[in-house]
Amino acid sequence: QVQLQESGPGLVKPSETLSLTCTVTGDSINSYNYHLTWIRQPAGKGLEWLGRIYPNGRATYNASLNNRVTISADTAKNQFSLELRSVTAADTAVYFCARTGKPPRDYAFNVWGQGILVTVSS
Amino acid sequence: DIVMTQSPDSLGVSLGERATINCRSSQSVLYNSNNLNYLTWFQQKPGQPPRLLFWWASDRESGVPDRFSGSGSGTNFTLTISSLQPEDVAVYYCQQYYKTPLTFGGGTRVDI
Repeated sequence: QVQLQESGPGLVKPSETLSLTCTVTGDSINSYNYHLTWIRQPAGKGLEWLGRIYPNGRATYNASLNNRVTISADTAKNQFSLELRSVTAADTAVYFCARTGKPPRDYAFNVWGQGILVTVSS
Repeated sequence: DIVMTQSPDSLGVSLGERATINCRSSQSVLYNSNNLNYLTWFQQKPGQPPRLLFWWASDRESGVPDRFSGSGSGTNFTLTISSLQPEDVAVYYCQQYYKTPLTFGGGTRVDI
């Protein structure tokens, strides 16, 4: 059974870079053209899509993040990662990694990590 | 960006009664070439990640009870719980996968 697990610092200082990794177990991230995705959720609020990467390295980002985000994939480690630069308190949230499935779930996030709380504070 | 609007924001339903959640998209999420609606529904309980309920607006994920149903097309969609159970207390989100940036509705909280 495929599982996703986020890891990284739970506290980041303002203006610094938030870096998270999602480790995938139970399946290879390049066994299919999965959409490997990062989504965040501020406390008590809704869900925001940050971006996605395909196993071939092609990435798409949410323009609302003003070019602060980079998503990368390491097929050898079966991981994908998020970098969010120049963070502020508004970036404090639970960050989820998620993955779409194979057809017919190829446009649906059917596997999620448990989420990791990242707080931006000095 | 496609704006997803859910209504109501919250819903109180008695056990065994029907719950209906609406989701409207600011533009159609129906892809004409394959006649599929790129609309998914999620359930989220406190401290948990979202759980996929439906893809293509009405295709039920395995393990989801059949008291849950998804319907609609184009810009208007509905999630219905036919007979609310205690374990259905959660926040429900719709999400469009028609184009990036992918966007979610604001969520509907269902309580008893």
